Amino acid sequence: AQSVTQPDIHITVSEGASLELRCNYSYGATPYLFWYVQSPGQGLQLLLKYFSGDTLVQGIKGFEAEFKRSQSSFNLRKPSVHWSDAAEYFCAVCGRNQGGKLIFGQGTELSVKP
Amino acid sequence: EPEVTQTPSHQVTQMGQEVILRCVPISNHLYFYWYRQILGQKVEFLVSFYNNEISEKSEIFDDQFSVERPDGSNFTLKIRSTKLEDSAMYFCASTLTAPQVPEAFFGQGTRLTVV
Repeated sequence: AQSVTQPDIHITVSEGASLELRCNYSYGATPYLFWYVQSPGQGLQLLLKYFSGDTLVQGIKGFEAEFKRSQSSFNLRKPSVHWSDAAEYFCAVCGRNQGGKLIFGQGTELSVKP
Repeated sequence: EPEVTQTPSHQVTQMGQEVILRCVPISNHLYFYWYRQILGQKVEFLVSFYNNEISEKSEIFDDQFSVERPDGSNFTLKIRSTKLEDSAMYFCASTLTAPQVPEAFFGQGTRLTVV
């Protein structure tokens, strides 16, 4: 079955520290991969996406993610976290030529300590 | 910057009542979606819509749900007879070209509370 796993429900990091949010997927073939962020009371904003090519993708707000086919992973990273990064982060996948339907992970809530 | 707009932001309704959630997708987008997020759970796909018809729906999207694009700009989700378990945040999304470049833009969501 197609699924996305975000093993960390809640992560707390100090401001200025580095961040890595984990995402693993189970899919028949390599899907399209996405990270979305949801701030309190807000909708889902696309941070970055992987379709093909370079496995390290850059996104907005200083985020990057690395696709590792052998591990079926697409982990999100940021070298230095800012207090405004506190939010919920969702990893999602979409099958190629599948009409755009997204399958989401459970989400990881990020808290940032001053 | 173009955006997806949803109204209302919050709706409270009594069990058994009909509700219509409204969305205005990005104007040149062709594929439209509804997702929902029950409190504390993951975002779940409900339905996709293209060329004035449903292209895919989940098992959640039963006969109580329907979608419509009544004019060139609005995209609506109707729940005919709401149940307590329909309480959730409902997100509308749109993409320009789904199979090739499925980059979905989401609205702010409508929080539906069924009492």
